[in-house]
Amino acid sequence: GQQVMQIPQYQHVQEGEDFTTYCNSSTTLSNIQWYKQRPGGHPVFLIQLVKSGEVKKQKRLTFQFGEAKKNSSLHITATQTTDVGTYFCAGRRVSGGYNKLIFGAGTRLAVHP
Amino acid sequence: DSGVTQTPKHLITATGQRVTLRCSPRSGDLSVYWYQQSLDQGLQFLIQYYNGEERAKGNILERFSAQQFPDLHSELNLSSLELGDSALYFCASSVEGAIYGYTFGSGTRLTVV
Repeated sequence: GQQVMQIPQYQHVQEGEDFTTYCNSSTTLSNIQWYKQRPGGHPVFLIQLVKSGEVKKQKRLTFQFGEAKKNSSLHITATQTTDVGTYFCAGRRVSGGYNKLIFGAGTRLAVHP
Repeated sequence: DSGVTQTPKHLITATGQRVTLRCSPRSGDLSVYWYQQSLDQGLQFLIQYYNGEERAKGNILERFSAQQFPDLHSELNLSSLELGDSALYFCASSVEGAIYGYTFGSGTRLTVV
């Protein structure tokens, strides 16, 4: 079945360092979404990328969608303790006539002050 | 408050029992999704409903069932509970076609003892 692989599983950084998580799909995606789940919280929608090669920024966060629409990345510049949490990518494809959103396993980010 | 309401927030029950988790989607959202998140794990898709009809099934056990009612609220029924069913159960909702981000509820933490 379709899978969305996300790496790394865990990442520990010192505050101020950069962080990147990568997402790869075995099939072409119609779009990809990113979510953040704070410890003890629920996933919160961050952004959606639709176009091949698309790049979007939200303050210190940069999201990219690959040219082949099979991979994506989230890069955080100069991490802060508020960035702590698990970042999930979720790839969407049409299956059986319906849109299906498949979540990656997530990357847990720990930021040490 | 995300707009998606899940009750109860916490549930402790014994093995072999049956429980019902409830979800009220965000106003205007026709799609409801159920996810299971075990300790420090990713989001496992269980089932999706759209406007009262089952739309997609994931890794949902036969002991589990769900439905969406005419007022669009949804219930997830878990029966013959086992210790391994202990997890966070999230409900999410989205607008038609699920082309936008999901809005997650705060989850129900189920503990089976």
